[in-house]
Amino acid sequence: EVQLVESGGGVVQPGGSLRLSCAASGFTFDDYAMHWVRQAPGKGLEWVSLISGDGGSTYYADSVKGRFTISRDNSKNSLYLQMNSLRTEDTALYYCAKSHGDYWGQGTLVTVSS
Amino acid sequence: EIVMTQSPATLSVSPGERATLSCRASQSVSSNLAWYQQKPGQAPRLLIYGASTRATGIPARFSGSGSGTEFTLTISSLQSEDFAVYYCQQYNNWPITFGQGTRLEIK
Repeated sequence: EVQLVESGGGVVQPGGSLRLSCAASGFTFDDYAMHWVRQAPGKGLEWVSLISGDGGSTYYADSVKGRFTISRDNSKNSLYLQMNSLRTEDTALYYCAKSHGDYWGQGTLVTVSS
Repeated sequence: EIVMTQSPATLSVSPGERATLSCRASQSVSSNLAWYQQKPGQAPRLLIYGASTRATGIPARFSGSGSGTEFTLTISSLQSEDFAVYYCQQYNNWPITFGQGTRLEIK
């Protein structure tokens, strides 16, 4: 059974940093690209970033480019999102998702507030 | 960036009736279009990819059509569990973009 479990969310002040993790199981992790997608409270879905299966290629939404870094450790079946220079508008539930969008985690909540 | 526009924002339909949801892309995305369903407090669920291919386990009452810039999700006979928010997503160009969603509510 495929499982994706996010962690690392919390409350952080504007300008601060946070690192999200996503633990994957039930599939051959390094065969698949992985996404981060976020959803602000009461709002729609916003794609954030994608990393290829081998970690060699990464892509970002313009809204996070230069501030967020996606990475993965295939030996640990884990996906990460390093978030720096956080803004209030980054407040959202952050989901990790398998490449074709067929599996999603339940999300981890990030709140940026002073 | 490709802008995805969904219409209508809210659709009121009675159970057993057909629902038709639309999604328009600001430029061609070929058939690289997916549809998701999201219920309150849940993660999105993939319904359709490649514009018209049902994902594993998705009932046949869900169908997708279109290519280029115009796409449609049709639910042939609404069940109570189908009332939710639906999003289209293009993955033809970077960045990947979602529509703003259509809320399907019980009439």
